[in-house]
Amino acid sequence: GAVVSQHPSWVICKSGTSVKIECRSLDFQATTMFWYRQFPKQSLMLMATSNEGSKATYEQGVEKDKFLINHASLTLSTLTVTSAHPEDSSFYICSASPSPDEQFFGPGTRLTVL
Amino acid sequence: DQQVKQNSPSLSVQEGRISILNCDYTNSMFDYFLWYKKYPAEGPTFLISISSIKDKNEDGRFTVFLNKSAKHLSLHIVPSQPGDSAVYFCAAVGDNAGKSTFGDGTTLTVKP
Repeated sequence: GAVVSQHPSWVICKSGTSVKIECRSLDFQATTMFWYRQFPKQSLMLMATSNEGSKATYEQGVEKDKFLINHASLTLSTLTVTSAHPEDSSFYICSASPSPDEQFFGPGTRLTVL
Repeated sequence: DQQVKQNSPSLSVQEGRISILNCDYTNSMFDYFLWYKKYPAEGPTFLISISSIKDKNEDGRFTVFLNKSAKHLSLHIVPSQPGDSAVYFCAAVGDNAGKSTFGDGTTLTVKP
């Protein structure tokens, strides 16, 4: 299947700092990318839908000023966790869709906020 | 090496019949498994999960079976409905942080 990468795979930061996570589709173009948050022993929680060239659509309860999403090209979407706090520690997973019927997941980024 | 495999990329069943979606894994450290459903142009949504201490979990028309010795789980949908037509992903979790490893998905088509 197609490959989606995330960078970094693991990041540790101090409380109050901002962290940027990149999601790249390596061998296909993705007009739509999704960002998820994974809590331990729970299912994925969709945070937002990112469409290339337009503003992201955030799910209810997700602070758009806290989680900034930029989908600047057909192969790259970024999620910036601004002023991170320990409760933001989680796994963040992206997925990319080359077409409405396909979706490929990234490996995830583990964020630990001290 | 892919740790979670869904060997059938597609499945077609008649409305009212049973749909069985299969998932195999290789990592014996996985202890929690989830199924997600995805409609076109939407992100996946959580469907049902099972812990490795159980061998069956049922929620309405959906039942997940886990065979740890075979490292195999399956999702049964009975009776299948046209609205169940979607892509189904299985995922496995094996660490305390909750990192999931996903299969490639199986496209289910339920014909009226």
